[in-house]
This record gives sequence, structure tokens and C-alpha cells, in this order.
Amino acid sequence: GQQVMQIPQYQHVQEGEDFTTYCNSSTTLSNIQWYKQRPGGHPVFLIQLVKSGEVKKQKRLTFQFGEAKKNSSLHITATQTTDVGTYFCAGPKTSYDKVIFGPGTSLSVIP
Amino acid sequence: SAVISQKPSRDICQRGTSLTIQCQVDSQVTMMFWYRQQPGQSLTLIATANQGSEATYESGFVIDKFPISRPNLTFSTLTVSNMSPEDSSIYLCSVEEREGLRNEQFFGPGTRLTVL
Repeated sequence: GQQVMQIPQYQHVQEGEDFTTYCNSSTTLSNIQWYKQRPGGHPVFLIQLVKSGEVKKQKRLTFQFGEAKKNSSLHITATQTTDVGTYFCAGPKTSYDKVIFGPGTSLSVIP
Repeated sequence: SAVISQKPSRDICQRGTSLTIQCQVDSQVTMMFWYRQQPGQSLTLIATANQGSEATYESGFVIDKFPISRPNLTFSTLTVSNMSPEDSSIYLCSVEEREGLRNEQFFGPGTRLTVL
């Protein structure tokens, strides 16, 4: 079945450093979604990418969808303590399939 | 965006008992899901709650253990039956909104279950 992997599992950075998490699917995805879960909270939708090679920015966050639509990345520039949390990528094989979540990357930011 | 509430927010239960979790959405939604998230882990889909018909369960989850109701388009319940300590987890209700190519999921605040 479809598998979605993320690396790294954990990342500790100094405040102000950059951070990147990578997401890889065993199958082509219809779209890729990114969610953030703060400690003790629930996952919150960040963004969805649909097109091959698509890049979207949200302030300090840059999201990219690979050309083959099997991988994606989230890059945070100049991390802040408010960025702490677990970032999940998720995607369906087709737009009619259920969404499969990756295992997440847990980000810690040292002030 | 949909606003989702869950009750209870947390509970501590004895082994062998059952707990029913309620999920209420502020708008009518077609797709409603139940997830389990064990500490430090990702989200595992338990089932899709279908309005007016039986829920669709994922591999490893069965109706006898996790009966689900979906009486209308804004409400669903998940029951965790005959609980054991292995059922200790966070249970999350989720809805999906779709518009054209756009689809995103909204999650409830979760129910933190501890089974002794």
C-alpha cells in the first residue's frame, strides 16, 4: 500500500537557524498537504500543493512539490520559538482516495 | 472553515469498560473521519463515518471494537469498546472540505483517553 515517509524524525535548531523537512511517498500523489501540530494541540492545515513543481510561500515558510509528485519539502527560514511543533505531510494517491499522513517531523527551537 | 468540538476532552477509564466520544461540526459535511494518535506518533485512520450507512473501517480496526454512528451531516460518535491499556491514545475527529482541486482536513481538539 501507499507509504509516506518524512525525514528527519526530530530536529533541534537554535532560534534564527533554518529548518527543512522532507516528505517522500511510495506512490505519485494527487496533491500534498502540510499540517502543523503544536505540543498538546491538534493538527492544523497549513497548505495544499497540487501541481508538479509547485512552490508556495507563507511568510517564512516555503513549500515545494516535486516534479514527479512523489516528494515535497517544507523550509522554514530563521526559525522562531513559535515554530515549535510537529509538521506532517499528507496526501492521497488520487483525489478520491483517503489522505495518508506521514510520521511527522518534530521541531524544537532553542531560544 | 469548519469548527469541530469533541466531548469529552479527556477521560480515565477502567479496563473492560466502554467510552463514547462525540464529535459536533458547525456545518454540514460529507466526509467525516476518526483518527487515533498515540503519544509521539502520527495519525492513524480508524474509519470513515458515513451518514446513513455503516462506517468504512481501515485495516486493523473492526466495528465490534470501534462502533461508529453518523446520524446526520454534523454529528458522529466513536465508541471504544471493552477497553484495554493499549487503547490509551488521543482520538481525533476530522472533516474534509473539498472545492474543486482544493481539499483540506480540519481536526477536532481530540479526546485524550487513558485506560487503567
